[in-house]
Amino acid sequence: DGGITQSPKYLFRKEGQNVTLSCEQNLNHDAMYWYRQDPGQGLRLIYYSQIVNDFQKGDIAEGYSVSREKKESFPLTVTSAQKNPTAFYLCASGHESSGANVLTFGAGSRLTVL
Amino acid sequence: AQRVTQPEKLLSVFKGAPVELKCNYSYSGSPELFWYVQYSRQRLQLLLRHISRESIKGFTADLNKGETSFHLKKPFAQEEDSAMYYCALSLGGATNKLIFGTGTLLAVQP
Repeated sequence: DGGITQSPKYLFRKEGQNVTLSCEQNLNHDAMYWYRQDPGQGLRLIYYSQIVNDFQKGDIAEGYSVSREKKESFPLTVTSAQKNPTAFYLCASGHESSGANVLTFGAGSRLTVL
Repeated sequence: AQRVTQPEKLLSVFKGAPVELKCNYSYSGSPELFWYVQYSRQRLQLLLRHISRESIKGFTADLNKGETSFHLKKPFAQEEDSAMYYCALSLGGATNKLIFGTGTLLAVQP
């Protein structure tokens, strides 16, 4: 099954702990994105990466960190500094088409902080 | 600031009725706009983009730069159209940042 794989699907964390969400793609896409999906707020961009070893902050990057050491992988760490981490997290990869990236999404990871 | 606005959280129509999901954007550059759809228990996926100028599953969307709108329309709704619809704006250029609206849940009643 080609595409984007996010793991784990469900994750529980105690307050004060960091947690890392995995995102792997085999689509050979250069760009990768992390979004947070909350009811009534749509998708908000956390971080994105256009190329290996480079990434940019999105609109709500505080309390999160990422790395892009390989083209296929874009893990997201939710740190203890994130004040409201309970959410549904979506990873996407993008390929350029006619001047803009078209995104392919993963199935998501639901993080619950206890 | 760049922004995408979808004013309706929920749109409920009867099967066979016309559908219009509203989307307005704020962007000083040349906009590239998309509609993404998420059916129940499926992944978010691309429905259509404005430069394609094509109809997908009977849906069309026209970019109106004067009104800064990109409304999604379908003349006759089907029950299988029930889903969450997101309008998205690509800033393109070097960033290729994609901004989403808050989404509209379309419920097509039998």
